[in-house]
Amino acid sequence: GQQVMQIPQYQHVQEGEDFTTYCNSSTTLSNIQWYKQRPGGHPVFLIQLVKSGEVKKQKRLTFQFGEAKKNSSLHITATQTTDVGTYFCAGGTTNAGKSTFGDGTTLTVKP
Amino acid sequence: GAVVSQHPSRVICKSGTSVKIECRSLDFQATTMFWYRQFPKQSLMLMATSNEGSKATYEQGVEKDKFLINHASLTLSTLTVTSAHPEDSSFYICSARVNVGYGYTFGSGTRLTVV
Repeated sequence: GQQVMQIPQYQHVQEGEDFTTYCNSSTTLSNIQWYKQRPGGHPVFLIQLVKSGEVKKQKRLTFQFGEAKKNSSLHITATQTTDVGTYFCAGGTTNAGKSTFGDGTTLTVKP
Repeated sequence: GAVVSQHPSRVICKSGTSVKIECRSLDFQATTMFWYRQFPKQSLMLMATSNEGSKATYEQGVEKDKFLINHASLTLSTLTVTSAHPEDSSFYICSARVNVGYGYTFGSGTRLTVV
């Protein structure tokens, strides 16, 4: 079945440093979503990418969908303590069906 | 924005009893809801897909007789953990999608502890 791998599993950064998490799918995706889960909370939808090579930005966050639609990345510029949490990618192979979640990258930010 | 309300947020039950978890879509109709289980510091494991008016679709390895899912209306899906045991203790969370152009909206989760 479809597998979605996410690296790294953990990332510790100093406040102000950049952070990137990578997501790779074993199959071509129709879309990829990104979520953030704060400690003790539930995943919150950040963005969905659907086009090959698509790049979207949300303030300090930059999301990218690979040309082959099998990989994606989330980059945070100048991390802040409010960025702490676990970032999950989720890949869908059809627009209406279920998505497969990656294992997540847990970000900690040292002030 | 879309809201999925999940109750209860926490529940402690005795081994052998059953627990029902509810998920409601508050401002949209959800013909499909998804139920997940999440262990500490791990990813979301999809348990089943709940379909309004029809039987749920369970993922491989998930016991359908143990985790009963009912999706009786377009805004309500329930997960009942039957004859709960300590190994069923976990964080259970539901999600639904407003439309295909948007991601999943998650409920706030239910932390189940079986003693």
